[in-house]
Amino acid sequence: KAGVTQTPRYLIKTRGQQVTLSCSPISGHRSVSWYQQTPGQGLQFLFEYFSETQRNKGNFPGRFSGRQFSNSRSEMNVSTLELGDSALYLCASSWDSRNTEAFFGQGTRLTVV
Amino acid sequence: DQQVKQNSPSLSVQEGRISILNCDYTNSMFDYFLWYKKYPAEGPTFLISISSIKDKNEDGRFTVFLNKSAKHLSLHIVPSQPGDSAVYFCAATGGSQGNLIFGKGTKLSVKP
Repeated sequence: KAGVTQTPRYLIKTRGQQVTLSCSPISGHRSVSWYQQTPGQGLQFLFEYFSETQRNKGNFPGRFSGRQFSNSRSEMNVSTLELGDSALYLCASSWDSRNTEAFFGQGTRLTVV
Repeated sequence: DQQVKQNSPSLSVQEGRISILNCDYTNSMFDYFLWYKKYPAEGPTFLISISSIKDKNEDGRFTVFLNKSAKHLSLHIVPSQPGDSAVYFCAATGGSQGNLIFGKGTKLSVKP
């Protein structure tokens, strides 16, 4: 069974640009959550999707958005990038909406210059 | 305010001894707790979880203990091995939210 796949693994963008990150969950999992990890801040929750519906959103500005497709794949988009958006973005998938056993992808390392 | 706290940023243990990682939470709605292990530049790896209806869960060298009255959980690793050296995150979920709330992690170093 394939794990959670995130693409791309590494990305360098310029301030003001936008970026789209992709996440393919484990087959059969319908819940996808996104997290941002920065040094000293741990993992901060961005948003969670279950069966194409956003169920929950963290405390991030509107520049951060996401969506989930009918095949459970998810994308997150960040517009008007800022230097502070440089982070490791992690996607987790779970079979249930409560994330009682959530599995993470390898992450996408975004660097904004 | 942090709902999940890991008060020890780092822990150093000798190989073969027990490692005890601690986690405290404040939200009484949390009813499921998970531990993850993370290496740099990789995603967290799920280790073990516990439901609030239990007070202990074991999986091989890993045991998680939950003290609901104290809102405290701990992860015991016995015996510790050098390959266990990583950052360990405690996470919680429950109530109306489905997302995981993470602590800031504890860096474990197991010395040969």
